[in-house]
Amino acid sequence: SQTIHQWPATLVQPVGSPLSLECTVEGTSNPNLYWYRQAAGRGLQLLFYSVGIGQISSEVPQNLSASRPQDRQFILSSKKLLLSDSGFYLCAWRQLGARNIQYFGAGTRLSVL
Amino acid sequence: TQLLEQSPQFLSIQEGENLTVYCNSSSVFSSLQWYRQEPGEGPVLLVTVVTGGEVKKLKRLTFQFGDARKDSSLHITAAQPGDTGLYLCAGAKGGADGLTFGKGTHLIIQP
Repeated sequence: SQTIHQWPATLVQPVGSPLSLECTVEGTSNPNLYWYRQAAGRGLQLLFYSVGIGQISSEVPQNLSASRPQDRQFILSSKKLLLSDSGFYLCAWRQLGARNIQYFGAGTRLSVL
Repeated sequence: TQLLEQSPQFLSIQEGENLTVYCNSSSVFSSLQWYRQEPGEGPVLLVTVVTGGEVKKLKRLTFQFGDARKDSSLHITAAQPGDTGLYLCAGAKGGADGLTFGKGTHLIIQP
């Protein structure tokens, strides 16, 4: 069966520090991968998605970037965090060729202080 | 622009009551997903509806997709405290694009 892992679960970072959040998927090949951010108790906003290694589509211009160095690995990064980057970050995957049904990781709670 | 409007945003009812949550849009979606999310966790998929007019049942939960594939509803019969959570609807269009989410309905079932 397929599983998705995100880490770390929680992160507290000072303003101006770098960021690296990692997401990996097991049990599937060539998935579509997604990064979302969720404001407190609210719906999800799509940040980036990837249909393959090295292929990144950005939905919202911001202080963040994404990379996909391996087929089942998706990384969310920032060179200098802002206070407004605080939030709950969720990674999701979708089986290639299947309907757009996405499965989510457990999320990373990022607090920028 | 919020493409998916969920209502109500907050709902607190007593155990045993029935409730309906709505998800409305002016856009047509190829499919629509409902998720439930617990605090501090990722959303968990409940159901996907694809065909206009489709009705799916998951125990005490009934999901319906509108005939025009622009809206959906979730009806819970005899709500239980375990139904408490944030319910999110998400619309999918063709291709690899991400899902469009509503803001969610916070549901509290009081024993």
